[in-house]
Amino acid sequence: DAGVTQSPTHLIKTRGQQVTLRCSPKSGHDTVSWYQQALGQGPQFIFQYYEEEERQRGNFPDRFSGHQFPNYSSELNVNALLLGDSALYLCASSLVWTEAFFGQGTRLTVV
Amino acid sequence: AQSVSQHNHHVILSEAASLELGCNYSYGGTVNLFWYVQYPGQHLQLLLKYFSGDPLVKGIKGFEAEFIKSKFSFNLRKPSVQWSDTAEYFCAALRRDFGNEKLTFGTGTRLTIIP
Repeated sequence: DAGVTQSPTHLIKTRGQQVTLRCSPKSGHDTVSWYQQALGQGPQFIFQYYEEEERQRGNFPDRFSGHQFPNYSSELNVNALLLGDSALYLCASSLVWTEAFFGQGTRLTVV
Repeated sequence: AQSVSQHNHHVILSEAASLELGCNYSYGGTVNLFWYVQYPGQHLQLLLKYFSGDPLVKGIKGFEAEFIKSKFSFNLRKPSVQWSDTAEYFCAALRRDFGNEKLTFGTGTRLTIIP
């Protein structure tokens, strides 16, 4: 049973560019959440998708957007990248009111 | 707003020492509580969770945590640590409001075990 898988594992982008990160949830899970983990910090909630809709959002600007597909996989898009967007981006999947399972993350470096 | 506080930023222990990592949360309603561990180069893994019932919960690898509602605390303990416990530990809280499933993490505690 595959766990949560994310791609790519590492990415280097230039300021101002756009990036798309991908996530496949654990088999059987229908809810996908995205987190940003800066160096030395705990993960910060970006948003959550359920039934292909954004159900909840954290304190992130509109430059951060997402999508969930009918097969429950998800994408995180970040536009107009800033140096401060450099971080580990984590995807987590779950069912309602259960624990979240995390992927390995995508390390994004903005130069 | 809900928050989670971890009091220890970096803890250094010798093998076989006892461990206690502090965690406090700010939300007064019903919460689910978790401890996650992040070993070097690996993804976040669930150590243990509290949903309801017995406030003393046991997790993997000999870890346990005690939920004390009156103190808004969920401290992680292990009687005797091993070198392989070296990792980053995160406490997290999930509010149980309908439509609100945001998992809030603490800033983490880096645990270093000296052989």
